[in-house]
Amino acid sequence: QLQLQESGPGLVKPSETLSLTCSVSGVSISSTSYYWGWVRQPPGKGLEWIGSIYFSGTTYYNPSFKSPVTISVDTSRNHFSLQLSSVTAADTAVYFCVRHRTVTSPLRLWGQGTLVTVSA
Amino acid sequence: EVVLTQSPATLSLSPGERATLSCRASQSVTSTFLGWYQQKPGQAPRLLIYGASSRATGTPDRFSGSGSGTDFTLTISRLEAEDFAVYYCQQYETSHWTFGQGTKVEMK
Repeated sequence: QLQLQESGPGLVKPSETLSLTCSVSGVSISSTSYYWGWVRQPPGKGLEWIGSIYFSGTTYYNPSFKSPVTISVDTSRNHFSLQLSSVTAADTAVYFCVRHRTVTSPLRLWGQGTLVTVSA
Repeated sequence: EVVLTQSPATLSLSPGERATLSCRASQSVTSTFLGWYQQKPGQAPRLLIYGASSRATGTPDRFSGSGSGTDFTLTISRLEAEDFAVYYCQQYETSHWTFGQGTKVEMK
């Protein structure tokens, strides 16, 4: 069964780097032409798309996103990752990993989400 | 950036009633690239409608989407207990995706 599962520290200190991984099970990232991305949701608020990566490694990011962000893919481990540097309390959110077919496709597959709190 | 404004923020209705949710875009969105999601507490959003009016796999037919240009609507014909949740619209036409701020459908 195709599933996405986020993992990473639940607590990050301000100014440090937030790193999350999304493990993909049920399909090989390198065998299918999909995009893999990240969406976040601050507590009690709405959804914000962060960015996505194609299986080949091409990335595109939300130009309105304030924090420096990097999304990468590791096909050997069948996972993709998110790094946000110089985080602040405003980066506290539930982070979801997602999959979509093209750059103009809806989000049919979501991970369950993981809460990351930025606090000293 | 395409700003999506959803209204109302909260809709208080009883089971069996009809729910009408609005999503207004700051500029025209091709209907092919407008979707609706349902989110329940503690869960990830779930795609309900794509292409403004096509039901995703598993979406009951009491859910319907319509609209074009800058005005889109999600209608739940007869609310069931499982439908009380938050609903988000999303445009995925540009390479800068945006979501509406959500409409909460709560039980009256």
